[in-house]
Amino acid sequence: GESVGLHLPTLSVQEGDNSIINCAYSNSASDYFIWYKQESGKGPQFIIDIRSNMDKRQGQRVTVLLNKTVKHLSLQIAATQPGDSAVYFCAENMSAGNTPLVFGKGTRLSVIA
Amino acid sequence: EAGVAQSPRYKIIEKRQSVAFWCNPISGHATLYWYQQILGQGPKLLIQFQNNGVVDDSQLPKDRFSAERLKGVDSTLKIQPAKLEDSAVYLCASSKAGNEQFFGPGTRLTVL
Repeated sequence: GESVGLHLPTLSVQEGDNSIINCAYSNSASDYFIWYKQESGKGPQFIIDIRSNMDKRQGQRVTVLLNKTVKHLSLQIAATQPGDSAVYFCAENMSAGNTPLVFGKGTRLSVIA
Repeated sequence: EAGVAQSPRYKIIEKRQSVAFWCNPISGHATLYWYQQILGQGPKLLIQFQNNGVVDDSQLPKDRFSAERLKGVDSTLKIQPAKLEDSAVYLCASSKAGNEQFFGPGTRLTVL
């Protein structure tokens, strides 16, 4: 995988504002995408997923947008809360054939109270 | 429902020593994964099991890493001998069907 070194991109937002975290994926054959949240000292936690036959999916306070033309994925968090502070990863794979997840670069979200 | 369990949570060893990590997946999950997560990066798959068979170990450094899942439930990952660059968090994940993987808390390995 691609190395990002020790310094993650960081997004700082004010509590109550909306957050948008972006991800560029690499494999045009990927048809399944997931956003994970990883808090310090914990494993990644599933947030929301989307299949390539959709361009938008909404959950509770979160929305994932998929743009297959430019291979871009975004995670929108509404009314960001201090508990949303974490590192967020996008992951992709091809759902057929049980292929492995490939994780993208993480983004650290810091919520300012 | 209990989550994925891993032990130990932390391990510090010197280079050239051996180390083993243990994972107990969620009950009923046939697929088990071991990932390596180097500081500042996303997890990278090392090996994937379906029951007790290996599905994918293409990124496992087989000269020093080994993993087994003998009874199709618990799994162990071993490193022998360890190198400095093996310092990372080792994550275990399991899934029942489809793509949703549930991750354990990880084992943080420091190689001195």
